[in-house]
Amino acid sequence: EVQLVESGGGLVQPGGSLRLSCVTSGFTFTSSEMNWVRQAQGKGLEWVSYISRSGRTIYYADSVKGRFTISRDNAKDSLYLQMNSLRAEDSAVYYCAADTPFSNYAYWGQGALVTVSS
Amino acid sequence: QSVLTQPPSASGTPGQRIAISCSGSHSNIGSNYVYWFQQLPGTAPKLLIYKSDQRPSGVPDRFSGSKSGTSASLAINGLRSEDEAEYYCAVWDDSLSGRLFGGGTKLTVL
Repeated sequence: EVQLVESGGGLVQPGGSLRLSCVTSGFTFTSSEMNWVRQAQGKGLEWVSYISRSGRTIYYADSVKGRFTISRDNAKDSLYLQMNSLRAEDSAVYYCAADTPFSNYAYWGQGALVTVSS
Repeated sequence: QSVLTQPPSASGTPGQRIAISCSGSHSNIGSNYVYWFQQLPGTAPKLLIYKSDQRPSGVPDRFSGSKSGTSASLAINGLRSEDEAEYYCAVWDDSLSGRLFGGGTKLTVL
């Protein structure tokens, strides 16, 4: 069974930092590009970041560029998102999503809630 | 306002056929595959269509995707009450060097 489990969400003050983790199982992580996608309450989906299988190719949405860092540990089948200089508008449910050889966004986690508020 | 334009809402009656559009440009839909997702309230998105017109195993053949030029469409035949959900399109954009989602379409089954 494919599983992606996010953790690390929570309440943080504006300007603070959080690190999200996504532990995966049930598929070949090393063959999968990975993404973070977020969804603010009552809003649509927003792609945040992408990382290639090796980690050498990375892309970010303009809204998070320079503040967020995506990384992966293929030995641990895990994906990470380091979020710095957080703003209220970063408040959202953050999903990790796996690309497979047949499709982008083939598998999704259940999401981790990040709330940025004083 | 999203670079990919979807109608905010759509509706239909059980058994009806509906189509949801996703409009973009040459740098995204015009040049790349389109993906479609269904999101039920309180749940993670689920892949419905990949590579513009392919259906993953387990997705009913009532769902189909198509692409023409800079627009794509998701069609649902034989509408059912359980199809009531939010639907999103997604694509890579060559100009932005990034991925995009449409704004989403809330489907109501009357």
